[in-house]
Amino acid sequence: SQQGEEDPQALSIQEGENATMNCSYKTSINNLQWYRQNSGRGLVHLILIRSNEREKHSGRLRVTLDTSKKSSSLLITASRAADTASYFCATAAGSWAGNNRKLIWGLGTSLAVNP
Amino acid sequence: EPEVTQTPSHQVTQMGQEVILRCVPISNHLYFYWYRQILGQKVEFLVSFYNNEISEKSEIFDDQFSVERPDGSNFTLKIRSTKLEDSAMYFCASKGTGNTGELFFGEGSRLTVL
Repeated sequence: SQQGEEDPQALSIQEGENATMNCSYKTSINNLQWYRQNSGRGLVHLILIRSNEREKHSGRLRVTLDTSKKSSSLLITASRAADTASYFCATAAGSWAGNNRKLIWGLGTSLAVNP
Repeated sequence: EPEVTQTPSHQVTQMGQEVILRCVPISNHLYFYWYRQILGQKVEFLVSFYNNEISEKSEIFDDQFSVERPDGSNFTLKIRSTKLEDSAMYFCASKGTGNTGELFFGEGSRLTVL
């Protein structure tokens, strides 16, 4: 079964530094998504990258996807203390449009941004 | 901004009791999901729901689990006879009809089975 596996499991940086988190998966995908979760809270969608895309940007976020290596990375530039959270990758297989595909999740990276 | 709301935020129950977790998805969304997250573990898919029927369910979603959309706004998850291992955070999510793939999650319902 496909899995998203993030590394590192925990990351601690200083405010202003960049944070890079990686995700690997096992099977072919339709898209890969990154979500954020503040402690004890719900999951918030950050960015989605489709299998035919290699890089995507959204504000301070940059996501890359390498389907040949079955891996993705999430870069948060100029980090802030408010970025402290857990970050999860989730993969969706199959045709998405009109098809209710489930997401398969990784264990997440716990990011701490120190002021 | 529209949001998914879940109730209760926390429920404590005795093993063997029935539990109903409630969700109000975003009003114009058509796809609905339940996921759960056991403390320290991965988020796990339970079930997806579309057009008033289950689209897909995981092996976790056994006969003790059921979902319902009773009135066109609420989306409920029922656990008939809770077990200790059902203790987890349960997340409801919904998705619109566009091809964005983005799920909108509620804040979760924490279930503690004693």
